[in-house]
Amino acid sequence: ETGVTQSPTHLIKTRGQQVTLRCSSQSGHNTVSWYQQALGQGPQFIFQYYREEENGRGNFPPRFSGLQFPNYSSELNVNALELDDSALYLCASSRGTAYNSPLHFGNGTRLTVT
Amino acid sequence: KNEVEQSPQNLTAQEGEFITINCSYSVGISALHWLQQHPGGGIVSLFMLSSGKKKHGRLIATINIQEKHSSLHITASHPRDSAVYICAVSRDQFYFGTGTSLTVIP
Repeated sequence: ETGVTQSPTHLIKTRGQQVTLRCSSQSGHNTVSWYQQALGQGPQFIFQYYREEENGRGNFPPRFSGLQFPNYSSELNVNALELDDSALYLCASSRGTAYNSPLHFGNGTRLTVT
Repeated sequence: KNEVEQSPQNLTAQEGEFITINCSYSVGISALHWLQQHPGGGIVSLFMLSSGKKKHGRLIATINIQEKHSSLHITASHPRDSAVYICAVSRDQFYFGTGTSLTVIP
């Protein structure tokens, strides 16, 4: 059983640029959810994709967007990067909606915005 | 105001001690999750529960829906249990606590 993989592991971008982060879900899982974790803080829910549709969103602006593909892998796109976007970005996959299914996390992508 | 509050924020224990971490929440939920995060960032889901009690090895999680409270217990703690433990609740989105940093000393 293949686990959740995220790429890249580390990334450095400049303020104003755009970034795409990728997540491959665990085999058999049809839901991917994304989280932002600033240093020393708990994670914050960005959004969830269930069967290729956004199915719930946290308090993040529209410049945070996503996609889910037919194979249930997912991308997180962030436009017009700000310094405060520097964080660990985590994705998790689940079988069924993430709200009431066990979550399987990837190891995260650490984004630094300078 | 945080929808999820954890206590304590930091905890140091001697190997073998019984440990309790508490989580209180203020919103209606579909489920409550206990997560473990080691240095470096990887998160492991320990429990998902919506009622009662679950046990896995030395870990026990309980939830009281009426009181909006959950506890995570670790029996016979071990240095490898040292990690940050995070409580999260889910409904139409997720709300996370800020975590409890546990250090178990040999």
